[in-house]
Amino acid sequence: AQKITQTQPGMFVQEKEAVTLDCTYDTSDPSYGLFWYKQPSSGEMIFLIYQGSYDQQNATEGRYSLNFQKARKSANLVISASQLGDSAMYFCAIGNSGGYQKVTFGTGTKLQVIP
Amino acid sequence: SAVISQKPSRDICQRGTSLTIQCQVDSQVTMMFWYRQQPGQSLTLIATANQGSEATYESGFVIDKFPISRPNLTFSTLTVSNMSPEDSSIYLCSVTPGPPDTGELFFGEGSRLTVL
Repeated sequence: AQKITQTQPGMFVQEKEAVTLDCTYDTSDPSYGLFWYKQPSSGEMIFLIYQGSYDQQNATEGRYSLNFQKARKSANLVISASQLGDSAMYFCAIGNSGGYQKVTFGTGTKLQVIP
Repeated sequence: SAVISQKPSRDICQRGTSLTIQCQVDSQVTMMFWYRQQPGQSLTLIATANQGSEATYESGFVIDKFPISRPNLTFSTLTVSNMSPEDSSIYLCSVTPGPPDTGELFFGEGSRLTVL
């Protein structure tokens, strides 16, 4: 079974500052993928970034980077230069690498960007 | 990537009625997934729908309550049957498009149901 833990129910960040959203995971699968999704108040789920368990380098996508520490089983999301539009729920998720399998989501972190 | 359209986007339903949610994808996909997100909660997988076979339901979800159809590789429906206020949720359709397959899920915009 796979499990995602997000210990921060809510976070505040000043506009233009960087923020780290925490995520730890547990899995018995040797190969897996880690994802972050953003859910604005409108409800849609927006894919942000992916990290494969065998990827040597941390994933980056624009202002998003994933701080992957395999030994610690953590996959924190770093958002640089926060913008007001970043205010949303953020979900960390884990799935089997190679897709076509169930993806398990964490409980989410609500991020609020302060002007 | 994939573009996924869901209908209805939102609805208000009466207790005891049933509602069918449609999910249309702009490309052929092998598997489609239905998730439920109860208010203030995370996403929970209801079932996985393959074309031409019965859907696979997760623990806690049964076919009589959430019947699913998957008539072709671009379309699926989820019915929420005999609704109660506890079924008030956002229901999301998702797919994993073709290779290179990272397992990334693409989501529809969701169907927000309120049961009175």
